[in-house]
Amino acid sequence: QSVLTQPPSVSGAPGQRVTISCTGSSSNIGAGYNVHWYQQLPGTAPKLLISDNTNRPSGVPDRFSGSKSDTSASLAITGLQTEDEADYYCQSSDDSLGGYVFGSGTRVTVL
Amino acid sequence: QVQLQQWGAGLLKPSETLSLTCVVYGGSFSGYFWNWIRQPPGKGLEWIGEINHGGSHSGRTNYNASLKGRVTISEDTSASQVSLKLSSVTAADTAVYFCAIVDATGGATYFDYWGQGTLVTVSS
Repeated sequence: QSVLTQPPSVSGAPGQRVTISCTGSSSNIGAGYNVHWYQQLPGTAPKLLISDNTNRPSGVPDRFSGSKSDTSASLAITGLQTEDEADYYCQSSDDSLGGYVFGSGTRVTVL
Repeated sequence: QVQLQQWGAGLLKPSETLSLTCVVYGGSFSGYFWNWIRQPPGKGLEWIGEINHGGSHSGRTNYNASLKGRVTISEDTSASQVSLKLSSVTAADTAVYFCAIVDATGGATYFDYWGQGTLVTVSS
């Protein structure tokens, strides 16, 4: 069972906006640790999408954005495109576990 | 262009020891933290552990408590590579294993670069 909770799936039509939540606790996100987001296409390694809550690495389209508040974080995809169909994971650090933790993952489907 | 290359045995019997190695090409990551992460088929990501490779705390490790006692991450500084060993494997250890790097020298806590992944299957 993952320490960070995400919805199993979200969907939207091309051009729409979807959001993915990542809910943690006082020992991870609520402790002030940064949240990062990864995109994983089938059969490939995860790719860093958002670092330090809101930062987009070079090459990541600006339709992807991140936010963080209290014990949770969110990833928003605006102007949804077919190539955004993938699994998305949040990641942070945890005081109780003494290491890195991942979210349960969310499958994004473009209708 | 930075590339992490990993290799190791893909099929094990229960009770055997999993052994994987990761090397980086196209960059120097001395002082960074090298991590191992796994993903069971159809499931999410699980952090296994990390090692500080070639830095002031070279060789320092940190492991996921759920795997402690079975996992060992070691470095070969002369060859710029890191290895993972997981003992007494069971079917529950069947997963794709990834190596990934964290630039903790700058305070980062995210995985910049990833290996291609190695599927390890445990079956009798």
